[in-house]
Amino acid sequence: DTEVTQTPKHLVMGMTNKKSLKCEQHMGHRAMYWYKQKAKKPPELMFVYSYEKLSINESVPSRFSPECPNSSLLNLHLHALQPEDSALYLCASRQFQLGTDTQYFGPGTRLTVL
Amino acid sequence: AQKITQTQPGMFVQEKEAVTLDCTYDTSDPSYGLFWYKQPSSGEMIFLIYQGSYDQQNATEGRYSLNFQKARKSANLVISASQLGDSAMYFCAMREGRNNQGGKLIFGQGTELSVKP
Repeated sequence: DTEVTQTPKHLVMGMTNKKSLKCEQHMGHRAMYWYKQKAKKPPELMFVYSYEKLSINESVPSRFSPECPNSSLLNLHLHALQPEDSALYLCASRQFQLGTDTQYFGPGTRLTVL
Repeated sequence: AQKITQTQPGMFVQEKEAVTLDCTYDTSDPSYGLFWYKQPSSGEMIFLIYQGSYDQQNATEGRYSLNFQKARKSANLVISASQLGDSAMYFCAMREGRNNQGGKLIFGQGTELSVKP
């Protein structure tokens, strides 16, 4: 089973709202990722968590705040977003073992900021 | 400089025919991984196939095979017997190093494949 789940599937929020995106995996993977993807473009890495610690922040604005409460769960807290933040937000987890190193993605959350 | 180059923004293929999607990469690291993902209009990134830089044989997964030409730094995806459900955006990606930068993937710009009935 290589399932990564994300909720909600769609989210519409105003610029003053606070919301959170949730990502979950039960594959025992110890690295998890947040990506942002605009239409017809490749995903852009935002954050990497390794063993529940933030290991990479790709200079993401502070209005995006990641959190990794445990090894299975990854959140992305959103506050005071801008319309240009509207995008598909993808979560992934990494299977890293001898002979293979693969990131499995969730279905994404389509975010619209009004 | 682009590390992953996909030169075909869009491609058409007739149903049941084979199609090759091109990908070239650039790295000086001897250890790297190459990946292909499929993204239908629904948005989910679906992992298709993986090739490690030290793998001697080309990777295959069902109807997907990766034509790995290390000297040419190319990693083309071959889809045999195309199906209508293969219509999607396809991304080539590379991970440099064994565990460099938390396994960061570098993506190409993608190729949009349309399968005609």
